[in-house]
Amino acid sequence: GENVEQHPSTLSVQEGDSAVIKCTYSDSASNYFPWYKQELGKGPQLIIDIRSNVGEKKDQRIAVTLNKTAKHFSLHITETQPEDSAVYFCAAPNYGQNFVFGPGTRLSVLP
Amino acid sequence: EPEVTQTPSHQVTQMGQEVILRCVPISNHLYFYWYRQILGQKVEFLVSFYNNEISEKSEIFDDQFSVERPDGSNFTLKIRSTKLEDSAMYFCASSVIQGGQAGTEAFFGQGTRLTVV
Repeated sequence: GENVEQHPSTLSVQEGDSAVIKCTYSDSASNYFPWYKQELGKGPQLIIDIRSNVGEKKDQRIAVTLNKTAKHFSLHITETQPEDSAVYFCAAPNYGQNFVFGPGTRLSVLP
Repeated sequence: EPEVTQTPSHQVTQMGQEVILRCVPISNHLYFYWYRQILGQKVEFLVSFYNNEISEKSEIFDDQFSVERPDGSNFTLKIRSTKLEDSAMYFCASSVIQGGQAGTEAFFGQGTRLTVV
């Protein structure tokens, strides 16, 4: 099945700086890649996703880039704010209807 | 904004007891899922459900687990005889059409924290 790796496992940035989280996947047939944000005690919340027919997608301060050849995709957060502090998970499809999640990145935005 | 709701938010049970976790998916969604997250670890797929039957399950979803859609709105996960290692956050999710490779996002509930003592 699909295997998803995610780096770094923890990331601390100063408020206003950018944060980048990278994921790699193993199945070249995968065609949809969501990013989830999980705040303490809450469920994962979809923040952005990308389909394999595009290389980049942006939504305000958040962007995702996809490199199908290298099988990796990255989350970019610009102008980070304290409320961006959370655990971020990438995911990729696992053949059927479910997702395989990466191990997560704990982002801390320091004021 | 429509959301997936789960009850209870926290369940404590004794080892060997049966528990039922409840979920109300988003009303026009057709695919339903249960995922599990052991403390500090990643989210893991358990089972997907469509048209009143299981469509996929992982190796975690063994005979002690079952799912049911008893009426038009609820979706339940039953753990027959709980073990200490079942302690985790259990998330219900739903999608309007097939998720995963079909490229449709799944929306997650807030989760039920199950503690087996």
